[in-house]
Amino acid sequence: DVKVTQSSRYLVKRTGEKVFLECVQDMDHENMFWYRQDPGLGLRLIYFSYDVKMKEKGDIPEGYSVSREKKERFSLILESASTNQTSMYLCASSRPLQPQHFGDGTRLSIL
Amino acid sequence: GESVGLHLPTLSVQEGDNSIINCAYSNSASDYFIWYKQESGKGPQFIIDIRSNMDKRQGQRVTVLLNKTVKHLSLQIAATQPGDSAVYFCAETPLYNFNKFYFGSGTKLNVKP
Repeated sequence: DVKVTQSSRYLVKRTGEKVFLECVQDMDHENMFWYRQDPGLGLRLIYFSYDVKMKEKGDIPEGYSVSREKKERFSLILESASTNQTSMYLCASSRPLQPQHFGDGTRLSIL
Repeated sequence: GESVGLHLPTLSVQEGDNSIINCAYSNSASDYFIWYKQESGKGPQFIIDIRSNMDKRQGQRVTVLLNKTVKHLSLQIAATQPGDSAVYFCAETPLYNFNKFYFGSGTKLNVKP
């Protein structure tokens, strides 16, 4: 079974802090994704990566950056956290043209 | 732009009945569709997928139907069980960008014992 592991289930940070969310997958998938999930809005794509050191902006990249130095790890960075970035963050991985496999999410609160 | 939506935000069914969850999409170029199940406190879990060259696909107790004419997707769950209670949402990806999926906002399925 594919396992996508997000480093934290719950995280509380302060406005202006730099926040790192980590994601690791164990199936050698090429593609990795970061989404945020807000009530009534569904999943919105922040960034995705289709190879090491490659990244593409999703629909809502503002205020975020990503890093993919190794194939199995995809990091989401909030450069200067703001309260409107309080959300559930979901990481996913997949092979091309295959379903995405999701982690269990990180619930991030920015105070 | 594309939109993927669900007709009913909440669906309540009796245990043992069949459930039907619907999804509309607007991009006629969409080629690949997925249904996910998300239980409370967990990430979305893949249920079943279908490509646009098919109208129907069956899994274990689940069937996905695709009507390309009206751009409609449905998920049928047979003999619904309490463990099926969750939020279900569809996702679609167009031909020109298979890496990028668009997700509906979800339907909450409540199974009454």
